[in-house]
Amino acid sequence: EVQLVQSGAEVKKPGESLKISCNSSGYSFTNYWIAWVRQMPGKGLEWMGIVHPGDSDTRYSPSFQGQVTISADKSISAAYLHWTSLKASDTAIYYCARFYGGNTDYWGQGTLVTVSS
Amino acid sequence: DIQMTQSPSSVSASVGDRVTITCRASQSISNYLNWYQQKPGKAPKSLIYAASTLQDGVPSRFSGGASGTDFTLTISSLQPEDFATYYCQQSYSPPHTFGQGTRVEIK
Repeated sequence: EVQLVQSGAEVKKPGESLKISCNSSGYSFTNYWIAWVRQMPGKGLEWMGIVHPGDSDTRYSPSFQGQVTISADKSISAAYLHWTSLKASDTAIYYCARFYGGNTDYWGQGTLVTVSS
Repeated sequence: DIQMTQSPSSVSASVGDRVTITCRASQSISNYLNWYQQKPGKAPKSLIYAASTLQDGVPSRFSGGASGTDFTLTISSLQPEDFATYYCQQSYSPPHTFGQGTRVEIK
């Protein structure tokens, strides 16, 4: 069974760093991309970027380039989303999802990130 | 970036109604168009990929269509569990932009 299990909710202060994870199982991790999607409170879905765990090829949305780092560790079938300095506007739910050949099929349960002083 | 314009933003419908949601791409995306369903407090669920191919386990009352840069999601007979927000997304070229979403509400 394919599963993407994300790390738990986080509460952080502005300026702090954070790395959230997406742990995959039930399929060959290096054969599929992992996408990250943001959903701000009460808003729609925003595509942030994707990483290919096989070769670490990464593509970012211009809206998120330089704001976050997307990575993957194929040795433990995990993908990551990393901030070096959080802002209040980063408060959102972040989803990871499996992507291949135009198809995004399986999604993680989401990680709520709250940034507040 | 490719812009995805989804309409309507919301629709009120009754159980048994036929509902159609439209998504227009700002340029050609071939058939790289996906549809998702999201219920409050839940992760999105993939419904359709490649414009018209149902994901495994998705009921056949859902269907997708395409004509040029215009795409449709049709629910042939709305069921109580279908009241949700629906999003389109192009996966033709990064960034894989989403439409703004369509909320399907109970009339």
